[in-house]
Amino acid sequence: NAGVMQNPRHLVRRRGQEARLRCSPMKGHSHVYWYRQLPEEGLKFMVYLQKENIIDESGMPKERFSAEFPKEGPSILRIQQVVRGDSAAYFCASSPRGHYEQYFGPGTRLTVT
Amino acid sequence: EDQVTQSPEALRLQEGESSSLNCSYTVSGLRGLFWYRQDPGKGPEFLFTLYSAGEEKEKERLKATLTKKESFLHITAPKPEDSATYLCAVQAGGTGNQFYFGTGTSLTVIP
Repeated sequence: NAGVMQNPRHLVRRRGQEARLRCSPMKGHSHVYWYRQLPEEGLKFMVYLQKENIIDESGMPKERFSAEFPKEGPSILRIQQVVRGDSAAYFCASSPRGHYEQYFGPGTRLTVT
Repeated sequence: EDQVTQSPEALRLQEGESSSLNCSYTVSGLRGLFWYRQDPGKGPEFLFTLYSAGEEKEKERLKATLTKKESFLHITAPKPEDSATYLCAVQAGGTGNQFYFGTGTSLTVIP
């Protein structure tokens, strides 16, 4: 049973470009979460999705950031017009239901130059 | 405001020297407390879930306990391969399912 998959593992973007991060949850998991981790800081919640629904986006910046989890295919975290402050590790997690442990992917390390 | 505080920030142990990591929390309506291990450059790896005060879970050299205000991760006779950052997270009551993470304890076990 494959774990949570994320790609790309490393992504370099210049300021002003768009970044697209993809996450495939574990088989049988329908709940997806995105977190951001900055050096020396803890993981910070961004958004919680189920198929075709955004359940909680309270941790996501109002501008430039969006997320989706379509009926078919991976969940996508999209960052438009990236700035240097967006450089971080972005982790996706999945769970089979809401009140349950979350299983994390290996992360995408975004560097904005 | 929901908060999770872990201590110490860093811990160096000799191989075989047992110790405990602390996770204190303030959260409205605890649904669950979770321990993870994170190695450099990797995603957090799930270790334990604790749901109610008095609960204990064990796995190899690790044992997690929970009270109403804090959790402890006890490491018995650690080995160098136990070196990692240990993260604590809580899931609060309400409609959201997000985890609130502490900043972790970086454990180094010296041979």
